[in-house]
Amino acid sequence: EVQLVDSGGGLVHPGGSLRLSCAASGFNFFNYWMNWVRQAPGKGLEWVANIKDDGSERYFVDSVKGRFIISRDNAKNSLYLQMNRLSVEDTAVYYCVRTASVGSTTGAFDMWGQGTMVTVSS
Amino acid sequence: SYELTQPPSVSVAPGETARMTCEGEYIGHQSVHWYQQKPGQAPVMIIYYDADRPSGIPERFSGSNSENTATLTISRVEAGDEADYYCQVWDRLGDQNVFGTGTRVTVL
Repeated sequence: EVQLVDSGGGLVHPGGSLRLSCAASGFNFFNYWMNWVRQAPGKGLEWVANIKDDGSERYFVDSVKGRFIISRDNAKNSLYLQMNRLSVEDTAVYYCVRTASVGSTTGAFDMWGQGTMVTVSS
Repeated sequence: SYELTQPPSVSVAPGETARMTCEGEYIGHQSVHWYQQKPGQAPVMIIYYDADRPSGIPERFSGSNSENTATLTISRVEAGDEADYYCQVWDRLGDQNVFGTGTRVTVL
């Protein structure tokens, strides 16, 4: 089955860290750019970061630069998001997302994980 | 940073046509993608590269893009079309993906 399964969310104190994981199956993971997209409660979608198919390029939304790290392990068909120095503004559902076009960063997001909730609170 | 503006809400009667815009500077020169999100669910791609429709998406959904405005049109609206809709582009200058502010479609 073609799917993305997100995990790793939870409750963390401000200033803390959390690592999200995404397990991909059913497609050639190593061919695709991958993304993290988040959605704060009752708010719209916000793209967080992406990583090239071979891991050689990474881009981030300004609000997480220097705090979040995106990585992937193509041998394990897995995507990760290391989140450091978390603040209450990072509270959101985080989705693992595939960019549709092979080898392209401009394609649409054609596959989404189910999302994992991250709550930053004291 | 690049911004995409969508009207917060659109209301439409069943069987009528819903149109929602996505405004951004020179958006006509970019590829626009659209997503539908129902409560408690992950978003679903419904239009890609301005006007293409993935398999399984009804022909009632269509898109266009020109100059500073992209438009999503839903013809013959059904109750099941009630959802939030987001546009999205890759901002080449900023090397970032950007989502629009989102439009909530209410079927009267």
